[in-house]
Amino acid sequence: NAGVTQTPKFRILKIGQSMTLQCAQDMNHNYMYWYRQDPGMGLKLIYYSVGAGITDKGEVPNGYNVSRSTTEDFPLRLELAAPSQTSVYFCASSRDRGGTGELFFGEGSRLTVL
Amino acid sequence: DAKTTQPNSMESNEEEPVHLPCNHSTISGTDYIHWYRQLPSQGPEYVIHGLTSNVNNRMASLAIAEDRKSSTLILHRATLRDAAVYYCILRDIDNQGGKLIFGQGTELSVKP
Repeated sequence: NAGVTQTPKFRILKIGQSMTLQCAQDMNHNYMYWYRQDPGMGLKLIYYSVGAGITDKGEVPNGYNVSRSTTEDFPLRLELAAPSQTSVYFCASSRDRGGTGELFFGEGSRLTVL
Repeated sequence: DAKTTQPNSMESNEEEPVHLPCNHSTISGTDYIHWYRQLPSQGPEYVIHGLTSNVNNRMASLAIAEDRKSSTLILHRATLRDAAVYYCILRDIDNQGGKLIFGQGTELSVKP
C-alpha cells in the first residue's frame, strides 16, 4: 500500500498565483486532514473532511479551499498565493473519527511563495 | 479543545530510558491521550495512545496518572533514531472530525 501520497513535493509560486496540492490515500479512510507547518512550529489544521462531499474548517482556513468528491482524494487549493503561505503542508487520513484511531501522514509538500 | 503542556526540549543519552512528560489538567472524560513524533523532514507518525490504563507497544510505553491530568511517554532505550519532536495530543471521541490539534511538542535530542 502506498498510504498517503502528496504531490508535488516541492513548489515555488509567485505572489498572486494559484495552485492545488494533491492528496490521495488508498486505505479507504473516511477522514482526511490538511495541516501546515511553519519553520520551527507545530502543525496547524487547515481543513478536514469526514467523508466524500463533507468538509469543514480547521484552525487556519483563510486563503485555502478544499473539496472531497471521492473517498480517496482531498485536494487543497491556494488562491492568490501570499508569502505568509510559505510552509510545509501535510495531508493525513484516518479510518476512525473517535479517540482510538491513528492518523497516517504523507511526506509533505514544501511550498515557497516569492 | 483541551490543551496539553510539554517541555520545549529534553536531552537523553543513547541506550538510556527517556521519560517525556505531558500535562493536561483540563482533560475531559472522553479525551484519549495520543502521542505522535516527527522525525526531521518527515511527517508525524503515530506512537501510542491510551485512555485510563497504562499502555505498551513495540515503540514505547504510556503511563497515565490516576487522575488523568498528566501522562508520560517512556522510551525504554533511546537510540539516535529516536531524536524527534514528540507531540502529546488529546483526541475527543465525541469530536466529529476526529481532528488532532498539535501543540509545540518536546524536541528530544539523543547523545551517543
